Amino acid sequence: EAQVTQNPRYLITVTGKKLTVTCSQNMNHEYMSWYRQDPGLGLRQIYYSMNVEVTDKGDVPEGYKVSRKEKRNFPLILESPSPNQTSLYFCASSPTLISYEQYFGPGTRLTVT
Amino acid sequence: EDQVTQSPEALRLQEGESSSLNCSYTVSGLRGLFWYRQDPGKGPEFLFTLYSAGEEKEKERLKATLTKKESFLHITAPKPEDSATYLCAVQAIGSGTYKYIFGTGTRLKVLA
Repeated sequence: EAQVTQNPRYLITVTGKKLTVTCSQNMNHEYMSWYRQDPGLGLRQIYYSMNVEVTDKGDVPEGYKVSRKEKRNFPLILESPSPNQTSLYFCASSPTLISYEQYFGPGTRLTVT
Repeated sequence: EDQVTQSPEALRLQEGESSSLNCSYTVSGLRGLFWYRQDPGKGPEFLFTLYSAGEEKEKERLKATLTKKESFLHITAPKPEDSATYLCAVQAIGSGTYKYIFGTGTRLKVLA
């Protein structure tokens, strides 16, 4: 089944404790992206990747890191999480860079205390 | 600055009562405009892509249209299962970026 998977689905952590949220797609997609979704602010793009080893900032990259060492995986790293990073996170992928639908994962709900 | 604004924020309809959702956008150049549906606790699900003014696309009770400044999602004779949040997004041309910008969505509730 073609899908985007994220792990973990739920995470509660403390301020400053490094964490990684994994994202994997099995559709051989070029484009992958991370979003956060907050009430009243909608979906905001954090980082995106156009291909292996090629990434760029979205609108809210501060406090996050990403890497794309393999085409199928695009982990999101929070090296020193803070409470303002409490949010619902979505990974997405798309076959091409330009103007194509994105396929979204199921989401990761992160709480930083 | 590229921007997407959706209205209304929330909409309650009776079953069968047709209406439209609005997505206004300000971009330097439009690569594509997208509509997604999002159910509570789930990731957005793709509905339509529109590329140029005058374009229209339909799927069941939904019809999306595009002008140079806005897009409408028309819902004809909605059913309770159409209840969801509808998201609009754009990908803009410029500076070699491939960002997507989403609006804050319209929460639709269809009452039986």
